[in-house]
Amino acid sequence: EPEVTQTPSHQVTQMGQEVILRCVPISNHLYFYWYRQILGQKVEFLVSFYNNEISEKSEIFDDQFSVERPDGSNFTLKIRSTKLEDSAMYFCASTGDRGNTIYFGEGSWLTVV
Amino acid sequence: DQQVKQNSPSLSVQEGRISILNCDYTNSMFDYFLWYKKYPAEGPTFLISISSIKDKNEDGRFTVFLNKSAKHLSLHIVPSQPGDSAVYFCAASADQAGTALIFGKGTTLSVSS
Repeated sequence: EPEVTQTPSHQVTQMGQEVILRCVPISNHLYFYWYRQILGQKVEFLVSFYNNEISEKSEIFDDQFSVERPDGSNFTLKIRSTKLEDSAMYFCASTGDRGNTIYFGEGSWLTVV
Repeated sequence: DQQVKQNSPSLSVQEGRISILNCDYTNSMFDYFLWYKKYPAEGPTFLISISSIKDKNEDGRFTVFLNKSAKHLSLHIVPSQPGDSAVYFCAASADQAGTALIFGKGTTLSVSS
């Protein structure tokens, strides 16, 4: 069964460092998302991406965040200068053209120290 | 501003009995609702969905009920099994392709044998 894959599964980084989280969405999907879940809190929407541009973003998705689809298969989330409060599980997700069911990857644990 | 609310953080049920998980929403633009199941350190897994044109959708042991006038939906699991123990997230979106999901905070279901 097709699935969304994410790398790395876990990354520890020092505060102020740049981090890139990578995702390979399901191959025929057109809409891509990043969500995050801080430990003990709810899953929060960060950004959606369609047709090579951001279609929607939340207040959390400020200037330190960026997304890119560099090669037609990968979808990346970059955090330019990480803060302690960026420590969370980051989930990539994708959905097809007409469907609203969003399929999630296994997540990337980011720990900022 | 919680647009999707799951007011019960936890629920304990005996194996074989019915589990009922509740969700309320405030945004009248929402008309597509989903339930996701999540194990620790894994991504949310899609369980079942319902469109606002229906008031019930059933898939095996899982049934979702929607009461649009009350802006309320519920997930029924019957019979409950120990493997159902997980965090259940209610999510909602407006019925447009690619619209971001808004999640509730989740309810932790524990099914004891």
